Amino acid sequence: EVQLVQSGAEVKKPGESLKISCKGSGYSFTSNWIGWVRQMPGKGLEWMGIIYPSDSDTRYSPSFQGQVTISADKSISTAYLHWSSLKASDSAMYYCVRRYYASGTYWFDPWGQGTLVTVSS
Amino acid sequence: QSVLTQPPSVSGAPGQRVTISCAGSSSNIGAGYDVHWYQQLPGTAPKLLIFVNNNRASGLPDRFSGSKSGTSASLAITGLQAEDEADYYCQSYDSSLSGVVFGGGTKLTVL
Repeated sequence: EVQLVQSGAEVKKPGESLKISCKGSGYSFTSNWIGWVRQMPGKGLEWMGIIYPSDSDTRYSPSFQGQVTISADKSISTAYLHWSSLKASDSAMYYCVRRYYASGTYWFDPWGQGTLVTVSS
Repeated sequence: QSVLTQPPSVSGAPGQRVTISCAGSSSNIGAGYDVHWYQQLPGTAPKLLIFVNNNRASGLPDRFSGSKSGTSASLAITGLQAEDEADYYCQSYDSSLSGVVFGGGTKLTVL
C-alpha cells in the first residue's frame, strides 16, 4: 500500500524552529515529487511547494518562498518542512502529498494524515 | 481569493443530485490544464476523488463524476448519501503563476 506517514502534532512558541516529516512507503520514493499543502483553521488548501527526492530539486509557491524550507533524505524515504523562526500565523494543519505523474499530467495521491502545528506564546 | 472559484456551499437531500462548479480562466483550466477533485471528510485529510477531469479514483462509486468544458469544471454527485457530507476541492495548474492552484473549497451538506 502506498502511504505517506507524517510526524505528530507540535506545539511551539513564536521564534522557535521546527521541522516536520513525511515518510513514504509502498513505492519508489525517489521516483515521485513530494509536495506540501497548508490548511489554516477553517480554511481551504494552499500550495506551498514541492521537492524531487532523487536530486532535491525544490520549487516554492511565491507565497511561501523564504518562509519555509523543504528538504528530503532519500536514504530514509522522508521529506521535511522546516521553519527557522515560527510565527503565530504559521499555526495550521500541514499535509504532504505525492505527485503522481501519468500520461502527461499529474495529480496528488496519496495525502499524508496531516501534522497540526500550533504556535502560541 | 482563490484562482479557481467554487461555491462556498451546496446542499441536497438524500437521493438527490448536486453539482459543484469550479470556475477558472484562460491561464489554467481554459489553457487546457487538467482538473482534479479531492474530498475532505470532517476531521480527516483530503483524498483524491477524480483525476484528469473525469476519471474516478480507485474504489469510488460511479455516483461521482467529473467534467470539464472551456474555463470551468464540475463535479456531480448523484444519489446523495449522508456519508458524502464533506468539503470538496478542485485543483489545476496555472501558467501565469507557474504553479498548482486549488479552488476555495465547497462544503456539501446532506439535508
